[in-house]
Amino acid sequence: DTEVTQTPKHLVMGMTNKKSLKCEQHMGHRAMYWYKQKAKKPPELMFVYSYEKLSINESVPSRFSPECPNSSLLNLHLHALQPEDSALYLCASSQEVRPGADTQYFGPGTRLTVL
Amino acid sequence: AQTVTQSQPEMSVQEAETVTLSCTYDTSESDYYLFWYKQPPSRQMILVIRQEAYKQQNATENRFSVNFQKAAKSFSLKISDSQLGDAAMYFCAYRSHSGGGADGLTFGKGTHLIIQP
Repeated sequence: DTEVTQTPKHLVMGMTNKKSLKCEQHMGHRAMYWYKQKAKKPPELMFVYSYEKLSINESVPSRFSPECPNSSLLNLHLHALQPEDSALYLCASSQEVRPGADTQYFGPGTRLTVL
Repeated sequence: AQTVTQSQPEMSVQEAETVTLSCTYDTSESDYYLFWYKQPPSRQMILVIRQEAYKQQNATENRFSVNFQKAAKSFSLKISDSQLGDAAMYFCAYRSHSGGGADGLTFGKGTHLIIQP
């Protein structure tokens, strides 16, 4: 089973709202990722958590705040977003028994619209 | 920094025919991994095939196979007996195996594959 789940599927929020995206996997994977994908573009890496610790932050604005409560869960907290933050947000996970060598499996994404 | 280039924004093929999608990459590393992902209109990113750079043998997965040319830094995907369900955006992706820990994927811009019935 290589399932990564993401909720919600769609989210519409105003620029003053606070919302959270949730990602979950039960494959025992030890690395989890957030990617942002604008329309007709490839995904771009935002954050990497490895063994529940933030290991990579690709200079993402502070209005995006990741959180890894445990090895199965990854959240992305959103606050004071801008309309240009509207995108598909993809979560992925990988086993990382051999760091850097394992395949990343993606969730279905959350389509975010900021008004 | 690594870069991945997909020079074909769009490809079209007749159902049951064979099509090849191109991908080149630039890296100074010797150990890395290459992937082809498929993203249909549903937007779910699905792994198609993976290749370890240290393996000379080209990876195959049913109707999907790759032509990996390490010296030329080329990694093309061949789809045989194309089916309507193969219609999607195909992304070539690179992952470093630096041994320093988990790292993200570097994606090409994608090739939109159209299957003509």
